Amino acid sequence: AQSVTQLGSHVSVSEGALVLLRCNYSSSVPPYLFWYVQYPNQGLQLLLKYTSAATLVKGINGFEAEFKKSETSFHLTKPSAHMSDAAEYFCAVSEAQKLVFGQGTRLTINP
Amino acid sequence: ETGVTQTPRHLVMGMTNKKSLKCEQHLGHNAMYWYKQSAKKPLELMFVYSLEERVENNSVPSRFSPECPNSSHLFLHLHTLQPEDSALYLCASSQDLRAPVNTIYFGEGSWLTVV
Repeated sequence: AQSVTQLGSHVSVSEGALVLLRCNYSSSVPPYLFWYVQYPNQGLQLLLKYTSAATLVKGINGFEAEFKKSETSFHLTKPSAHMSDAAEYFCAVSEAQKLVFGQGTRLTINP
Repeated sequence: ETGVTQTPRHLVMGMTNKKSLKCEQHLGHNAMYWYKQSAKKPLELMFVYSLEERVENNSVPSRFSPECPNSSHLFLHLHTLQPEDSALYLCASSQDLRAPVNTIYFGEGSWLTVV
């Protein structure tokens, strides 16, 4: 079975600082990987997805993620954090056409 | 504006009540899902429908009863729920379960409180 592990249930950064949210996957086949964001009182919104094309994937709102097979990682980054980035972020892997989600990482932005 | 609409957004019900959650997708997708999101737990897949046929029931108690009358609508019928069923219920859709990359799009969720 495929799975993802998000390292750190809470991450706090200052406004303007680098955002790094970690995700490691476990998969016996080349994975399809996703990052979703959930703003307060809302559903999940797709940020970006990796589908075995380019290893560096650019998403919405200035986020990007790099697929590293050797490290089984798919970390999410943004060069400069914005107050509006405060939300919960979920990494997910596709298994049998369904998504298996990580536990989520809550991102807090300090002014 | 989301392509997946859920109603009601908030629901409070007693343990003996019967209520339903409704989901409608405007994306022309063939697959629809119910997920449950509880505090301190990962998102749990409950049900999957493909072309109105249930293809997965993820060991969900029978007090949750899904219905998919057509590919655009999905319901979750609730009866004799327990307080631990209080959670955010998320509906989602995707183009086709047979697609190589099945990107899932979520609604804004229905907050359920069982008292």
